[in-house]
Formats: sequence, C-alpha cells, structure tokens
Amino acid sequence: QVQLVESGGGLVKPRGSLRLSCAASGFTFSDYYMSWIRQAPGKGLEWVSYISSTSSHTNYADSVKGRFTISRDNFKNSLYLQMNSLRAEDTAVYYCARGGYGGALDSWGQGTLVTVSS
Amino acid sequence: DIQMTQSPSTLSASVGDRVTITCRASQSITNWLAWYQQKPGKPPKLLIWRASLLESGVPSRFSGSGSGTEFTLTISSLQPDDFATYFCQQYDAYQTFGQGTRLEIK
Repeated sequence: QVQLVESGGGLVKPRGSLRLSCAASGFTFSDYYMSWIRQAPGKGLEWVSYISSTSSHTNYADSVKGRFTISRDNFKNSLYLQMNSLRAEDTAVYYCARGGYGGALDSWGQGTLVTVSS
Repeated sequence: DIQMTQSPSTLSASVGDRVTITCRASQSITNWLAWYQQKPGKPPKLLIWRASLLESGVPSRFSGSGSGTEFTLTISSLQPDDFATYFCQQYDAYQTFGQGTRLEIK
C-alpha cells in the first residue's frame, strides 16, 4: 500500500532554515507528481509546492516563493522541502502528498510539525 | 489566483440526515475539483475527484456534482464516522483549498 512518511520538522528560530523529507513506498515514485501542503494550527489547508515526476516542473505558492525549494530523488524514493528565511507564519503541520499538477492528492503522509519561534 | 469559497462553515446534523456542502470557485475550473475529509490529528483523505468521481474505497453515500464554478458534496445518509471537516480543492490552476466545513453532531 502507498505510504508517505515525513520527517525533519521541529522548532526553529525566525530567519532559520529547515529541510523536510518525505519517504515514499508502495508505488512507483518516479511516475508521480508530488506536493507539499501545510496546515497552520486550527486552520485550513494551504498548498505550498509541487514537483513533476522528473523534477523538470516545479511551482510554489506566492507565500513561500524565493524562500522554499522543492526537490526529489527518484533513486531514493524521497521528496524534500528546503525551507529558508522561516517566519512565524510558516508554523504549520507540513504534509507530503501524491499528486499535484492536474491531479487530486490521493495519498497523504501523517505530517511533520514545523514551529517557528524565538 | 482562483479563490474557493465553501458554505456553510459549520453544519449541524443528525445520523441519517442528508447533507450538502457547497463550494464556489472565483472563476471556471471546469471539473478540476476534489473533496477531502479530515478528522482531528489526521491527514486529509480524498473522497471525490474530477468533481464527481468517487475515490476507491469511499462509501457510495458520498457523491459530488457540479462544473464551472459551483460544486456540491452530498452525503446521502450521515453515519457516525462522517462527522469531520470537509475541504474542497481546485487543481485547474495550481491548487487552492476552500476554508473547510465542519460537520458536527446536532
């Protein structure tokens, strides 16, 4: 069965950096777009970024453009999100999900919590 | 950017009720719309895609309809497991989620 497991979250100071990882299994990772979605505590869902199966196509929400970078390693079946210049408003649970451009998100990880606070 | 507006924000209903949640897009998204269910502390779960297609394993009491800018999610007969928060999502241009509808027990 499809499994997505995020890691790398934690407490970081404003203007700090963090790298999230998502380990995928149970499907052919290299065939799918992948996305990052976040959810601030008690709030709704916000799309963050997606990446194509070959990494040739990426896109970002305006709120993170220029600060976050999505990447993937199809040999390691892993998705990444490099987050720089973090702000308090980036505090959220970050989910990785299968799908993205032109497709619904049909599988989600359990999420990893990122807290940006001094 | 395409904005998605869900209504109502909160819905109180009883087991066995038929309920409908509405999602409106700020511009036409054809049928590039999905519905998700989320329970506290859990990730969202895909219910409906392409506005009306039921995801594998999702009970048939869930149905979706609509096209263009107006969409609905209907639960034909509420079960205890259905009390949760529901989100719509457009994936016509990037991705945008509605603000969510909390379905609570009356």
